[in-house]
Amino acid sequence: QKEVEQNSGPLSVPEGAIASLNCTYSDRVSQSFFWYRQYSGKSPELIMSIYSNGDKEDGRFTAQLNKASQYVSLLIRDSQPSDSATYLCAAGKGNDMRFGAGTRLTVKP
Amino acid sequence: SAVISQKPSRDICQRGTSLTIQCQVDSQVTMMFWYRQQPGQSLTLIATANQGSEATYESGFVIDKFPISRPNLTFSTLTVSNMSPEDSSIYLCSVHSLRGNTIYFGEGSWLTVV
Repeated sequence: QKEVEQNSGPLSVPEGAIASLNCTYSDRVSQSFFWYRQYSGKSPELIMSIYSNGDKEDGRFTAQLNKASQYVSLLIRDSQPSDSATYLCAAGKGNDMRFGAGTRLTVKP
Repeated sequence: SAVISQKPSRDICQRGTSLTIQCQVDSQVTMMFWYRQQPGQSLTLIATANQGSEATYESGFVIDKFPISRPNLTFSTLTVSNMSPEDSSIYLCSVHSLRGNTIYFGEGSWLTVV
C-alpha cells in the first residue's frame, strides 16, 4: 500500500527558530512532492513543490528531497506565530497523489 | 493557478438525509477530484470525476453512497447520501494544474451529521 508518513506532532518551536518537518513515502515511483499548510477550519494551501533531489528554497521555506531515502522535509526559518498550522506532505505521480496525516506546528511568541 | 469555489462551506445535517456539495472551477479541467478529510486524519481520495463518463471511485467508496455528477468541464457535484455521524468530515474538491504537477483545493465543505 502506498503510504506517506509524517510525525503527527505537535511540534512546538519558539518564534524566530527553525521548524523542521519530516515526511517519508513508500512508493518509489513517486515523482512529485508537495507541502501544504492547513489552518484550522481551512482547506490546504500549497507551500512548496519539489521534483528533484536536493534543496529548493522559497523565502523562509526550504524543501529537501532525497529519493534514495524516500524522504522529504520542509524547513521554516525565522518561524512566526502565523506559521502555526498543520503541514501536510504529499507524494505521488501524475494524478495518483497520497497525503500524510499532517504535522501540527505551534510557534510560540 | 485555479480558483475553485465550493458550497456549502458548512452545514449541519440530520442523520439519514443527503446533501449535495457543489464545486465550480474558473477554468476548464479534464478531471476533478473529491477528497474527504475526517477529523485529525489525512486527505483521502473519494473519486475522480471525468466529464462525460462515470466517476472512478477509490477502494472503500461506492457510487450509491457518494454519487457524483460532472455535467461540464468546470462543474461537479458530490452527494453524501443517507448520512451518519461517521460522515462528519471536510469534503474537498480539487483539480490539478495543466502540467499535472500541482494540486489545488477548494475552500472545503464542513459537514457535521447529528
